[in-house]
Amino acid sequence: GQNIDQPTEMTATEGAIVQINCTYQTSGFNGLFWYQQHAGEAPTFLSYNVLDGLEEKGRFSSFLSRSKGYSYLLLKELQMKDSASYLCAVRPSGNAGNMLTFGGGTRLMVKP
Amino acid sequence: ETGVTQTPRHLVMGMTNKKSLKCEQHLGHNAMYWYKQSAKKPLELMFVYSLEERVENNSVPSRFSPECPNSSHLFLHLHTLQPEDSALYLCASSQTTGPAAEAFFGQGTRLTVV
Repeated sequence: GQNIDQPTEMTATEGAIVQINCTYQTSGFNGLFWYQQHAGEAPTFLSYNVLDGLEEKGRFSSFLSRSKGYSYLLLKELQMKDSASYLCAVRPSGNAGNMLTFGGGTRLMVKP
Repeated sequence: ETGVTQTPRHLVMGMTNKKSLKCEQHLGHNAMYWYKQSAKKPLELMFVYSLEERVENNSVPSRFSPECPNSSHLFLHLHTLQPEDSALYLCASSQTTGPAAEAFFGQGTRLTVV
């Protein structure tokens, strides 16, 4: 089976750094994704990790440890527009069609 | 604009109605998906079409019926729905090959069953 856990809500201050954690137990692993979803909008792709280590993309970085079943999304220099839900998703191995299993999402509120 | 278009954006239907949700992707992808997003629950995969063949239906009730006439279009036919089916229905597309092959989502259809 698949189980993906992430905190329900987080609050941070504009200009600060925030780390959103995700732990997973899945039957096979072929990549972990982070998506951002603003209220009432489509989820948009942020990052992809399949090997251990850190992937950096501007203000956003994502880390993966496959042995620990753990990932985090790091957001630096927070801006008000970063207030959104952040979805962690895992792609199990060996499936056709790139099916993803999503966590419940972490709702991030950025305050002035 | 993500290249995946869903219509309608909002839909209110009675439990005895029949309606269809439409999704179109302009990205040249070869896989399309229907997801359900309910309040306080994770995104749930409903159906997957890869190369126009259904590969997963995840035990979805038969009152939901998908159709994929070609690689660019996906429908979700709805009939005799229940109030608990009220949710945001998201369509997505992706390639099935490539290192990331991330999914691109449409804006969703907000469905209310009354």
